[in-house]
Order: sequence, then structure tokens, then C-alpha cells
Amino acid sequence: DAGVIQSPRHEVTEMGQEVTLRCKPISGHNSLFWYRQTMMRGLELLIYFNNNVPIDDSGMPEDRFSAKMPNASFSTLKIQPSEPRDSAVYFCASSLAQGNQPQHFGDGTRLSIL
Amino acid sequence: GENVEQHPSTLSVQEGDSAVIKCTYSDSASNYFPWYKQELGKRPQLIIDIRSNVGEKKDQRIAVTLNKTAKHFSLHITETQPEDSAVYFCAAGFGNEKLTFGTGTRLTIIP
Repeated sequence: DAGVIQSPRHEVTEMGQEVTLRCKPISGHNSLFWYRQTMMRGLELLIYFNNNVPIDDSGMPEDRFSAKMPNASFSTLKIQPSEPRDSAVYFCASSLAQGNQPQHFGDGTRLSIL
Repeated sequence: GENVEQHPSTLSVQEGDSAVIKCTYSDSASNYFPWYKQELGKRPQLIIDIRSNVGEKKDQRIAVTLNKTAKHFSLHITETQPEDSAVYFCAAGFGNEKLTFGTGTRLTIIP
């Protein structure tokens, strides 16, 4: 079975540019999570969706960040404009939305903003 | 919101010895407690999880214990091997909803 698929794996761009990260959850999973990992702040939940609907976006740092889930098999996390402090590894995870089901992580996108 | 504290931040043990990592949480409503292993440059991978109606769970060399009264849970790895070297994260919350992660423990197995 294919796991959570993220693209790109690596992204290097200059500050001020728009960055779009993509995620395809595991087929059949209806909860999707976006995390950011840095040495300073660890693993932080940015936003999560249940059945394509954003449930909690309290972790989104500021208005420069936005996330969408137009259908059950695709989600995007967008940063516009990007800043050097956004440099981090961004993980997407998915799970079944029933009871306490484990979250399965993708391989992440390593983002560097110059 | 939930707050998870994890100790120690680094741990070195001799190959073959046991390793124990401890976490405490603040929200008594949390009912799902997974542990993830993350190797350098890789994604976090679930190694074991426990739900609040269970006090202990074991999977080969790995075990997790949960004390809901004290709001703490622990990961135990027995007969450690070099491939156990990684960063381990605990988390608390609700599996299909919000999880709060601990700050991680870097485990080094000394051959």
C-alpha cells in the first residue's frame, strides 16, 4: 500500500516567493494533518482536516500560511510570502477518522527559504 | 490545551541494556498515547500506541505503560540494539484529532 505522499521532497526558494507543499493521504483515510518540525520548536501541528473540512487551524503561524483540501485525496499548504524563519521540515499525516486511530506520516518536505 | 513533557532529552545505554523514556501530560481528557521513532532525515514512524482503557501494552522488545491518575506514560525498550538508535517522540491527545507531541528523546545505543 502507498503511504502518505508529499511533494516536493526538497524546496529551496528566496524569501518573498510563494511556496506550495502538496500531500496525498492514504486512500480511505479521512483525517489529514499538517505539521512543522524545527530544532527549536519540535513537532508542531499546524492544521487538521476531517472529511476535507478544516477543524483546527490554531497552529497556523500567521496569515501568510493557508491550507486547503479540495477533495479526499489531495491537500496543499501554501506560504505567501515566504520568510527565512519558515525554513523547516513540513510533514503531512493521515488517519482514519474513527475512534483513536494512529496517524501515519509522509516523508516530509524540507523547505529552505534564503 | 494539552501540554506534554518528555524526559530525558538524551539517553545513552549499552547495547543489550534497557531504555526508559517518560512523558507527562496535562489534559485528563486525552485518551490516546502513541510513540514515534524518527531516524535522521526520515519521517516519524509509529512504533506502539496505547489507549486510555489499557494500562500496559507490549510488542516484542517494546512496551508502554500508562498511569491515567498520575497522567504519565512511559516507553520501555529491552535488549537494546544499535538499530534502536533514533529520536523517540511521545504524544497525547486523540488519534484522529489533535495530538500534542513531546520534545523528543535522542537515544544512542553504545555497541
